[in-house]
Amino acid sequence: SQQGEEDPQALSIQEGENATMNCSYKTSINNLQWYRQNSGRGLVHLILIRSNEREKHSGRLRVTLDTSKKSSSLLITASRAADTASYFCATDASGANSKLTFGKGITLSVRP
Amino acid sequence: DAGVIQSPRHEVTEMGQEVTLRCKPISGHDYLFWYRQTMMRGLELLIYFNNNVPIDDSGMPEDRFSAKMPNASFSTLKIQPSEPRDSAVYFCASSKTTGGHQPQHFGDGTRLSIL
Repeated sequence: SQQGEEDPQALSIQEGENATMNCSYKTSINNLQWYRQNSGRGLVHLILIRSNEREKHSGRLRVTLDTSKKSSSLLITASRAADTASYFCATDASGANSKLTFGKGITLSVRP
Repeated sequence: DAGVIQSPRHEVTEMGQEVTLRCKPISGHDYLFWYRQTMMRGLELLIYFNNNVPIDDSGMPEDRFSAKMPNASFSTLKIQPSEPRDSAVYFCASSKTTGGHQPQHFGDGTRLSIL
């Protein structure tokens, strides 16, 4: 089964609104990463948060991690049409020997 | 800097044919990963290498799949014989030392269609 599972599966918002995406996982992790995938392209790394961190910012992105609930959220503020993409969380499980396990992704549509 | 380069971008072939996918990782990266992406199963790790040595091939679906990394700048994923259920997008990714703790850099994938 997938280690990381995103929620919701699809999200449609208006440009300028904030988008919040959630990820839950099952086992202990070393870190959690978020990636974006534009249609027909490869995944692009957005942000990495380590298991001893609770919050991290990068530009319009804010990621939180709650290891007690085994969950993470990705917030994109002031969304733009160019943010339209699929977003994936990926977990590096403790002892997993460098492997990342990806969720099935969230499809975000930002309407102009 | 050049990113991860995959070829071909698209491949259409008939079942039973041999398919070879190619990947050039980012220079200086010593981890290389092969993934398969489908709507049904999402992104699955097939195999990964560290310093050209296969570390974990537990995701390779069958003996019809094989992967090699003859040097630090080239890897292949081969399917022989191919079947329609192998149709998917195949991605190659690379990362620096301690792969799980570093971002992975993905190529744009090979879209494979087996007729």
